[in-house]
Amino acid sequence: DARVTQTPRHKVTEMGQEVTMRCQPILGHNTVFWYRQTMMQGLELLAYFRNRAPLDDSGMPKDRFSAEMPDATLATLKIQPSEPRDSAVYFCASGPGGAYEQYFGPGTRLTVT
Amino acid sequence: GENVEQHPSTLSVQEGDSAVIKCTYSDSASNYFPWYKQELGKRPQLIIDIRSNVGEKKDQRIAVTLNKTAKHFSLHITETQPEDSAVYFCAAFPSGNTGKLIFGQGTTLQVKP
Repeated sequence: DARVTQTPRHKVTEMGQEVTMRCQPILGHNTVFWYRQTMMQGLELLAYFRNRAPLDDSGMPKDRFSAEMPDATLATLKIQPSEPRDSAVYFCASGPGGAYEQYFGPGTRLTVT
Repeated sequence: GENVEQHPSTLSVQEGDSAVIKCTYSDSASNYFPWYKQELGKRPQLIIDIRSNVGEKKDQRIAVTLNKTAKHFSLHITETQPEDSAVYFCAAFPSGNTGKLIFGQGTTLQVKP
């Protein structure tokens, strides 16, 4: 049963530090999404890629967040510098080309103190 | 752009009763409507979906109905069990975009034993 994987699962860091989150999409999926989930805002789409090309990152604070896909098996989300308001669960999801379904990873719970 | 409204925000039912969650969408061209279940501390999981050329779809105790004219769709859970307790998200896929789902705000379902 193929699944999206994410690392780390938990991250506690101090304000101002760089945070890097990684995602391995399901093999063969060509769309990758980054979401942020908080109690107040629900599921927010931060960015997404198709065939490794960024299609929409309008949900992402550009000054501190960046998302990349160095290759088809790895997507990264970086926050530099991190702030306490970035504390949330960050989910990666992937989807097969030509279809609409999205499958979520287990998430990275980020706490910025 | 597409907007998805989900109601109610919380729902409490007795075990064995039925539960219904409703979503409305604004873009009449939307053509795919998935439902996700998220248990506490877990990833959102796709549980059922429906496309715009179908009015109803069932999978064991869950069903989804779609009314394209009224632009709303609903999740029906029959014979609810305590393990159905979770947050449920609806979403819509606007036609013409390249994979971006628009999510509702979520419904917290509590099934009391």
